[in-house]
Amino acid sequence: NAGVTQTPKFQVLKTGQSMTLQCAQDMNHEYMSWYRQDPGMGLRLIHYSVGAGITDQGEVPNGYNVSRSTTEDFPLRLLSAAPSQTSVYFCASTLGAAGDSEQYFGPGTRLTVT
Amino acid sequence: DAKTTQPTSMDCAEGRAANLPCNHSTISGNEYVYWYRQIHSQGPQYIIHGLKNNETNEMASLIITEDRKSSTLILPHATLRDTAVYYCIVRTRGSQGNLIFGKGTKLSVKP
Repeated sequence: NAGVTQTPKFQVLKTGQSMTLQCAQDMNHEYMSWYRQDPGMGLRLIHYSVGAGITDQGEVPNGYNVSRSTTEDFPLRLLSAAPSQTSVYFCASTLGAAGDSEQYFGPGTRLTVT
Repeated sequence: DAKTTQPTSMDCAEGRAANLPCNHSTISGNEYVYWYRQIHSQGPQYIIHGLKNNETNEMASLIITEDRKSSTLILPHATLRDTAVYYCIVRTRGSQGNLIFGKGTKLSVKP
């Protein structure tokens, strides 16, 4: 198993550009989520999905869109990048949404918006 | 989910046990205590979790007080590779899998 994979590893955008961060998992996990981590801070939840076709907002959803058309993939779209979205983005997955199983995290995408 | 309080930083000598405390005085009966760590900006890594009994796995032990208001993560023989930020998270069963991260404890293992 590759686990949770994320692409790209690094990205530089100009203000106003859009892009999609990719996330995939090969563990047949129902639950997937996106977090962002700013310097010196813990992770904050952006969006999550409890299964294909179902998504919901987390703590900091503004400026981001998600969709979940398959179990494996959960892309995160930045609609119009802003410098405040400069951060490290982590995707995670877990077997179920019951809250009593471990989450597996990807290696992260480091995004800089100039 | 209940909030947690952890020390900002701790040091530990290589080969010694590292004991990382966490206070979660408002924890309720259906909330689990989880520990994750993050090594040098990599993705967080699951360590261990428990409800009320002490737990042990190949990485660590988790000791939860009888009143469940605090817990301690024990790394029995710390190595330099255990240097990381350790997060204690309280999570409700059925909470849609969401994790609420604080700032964690920066553990530095020194030779």
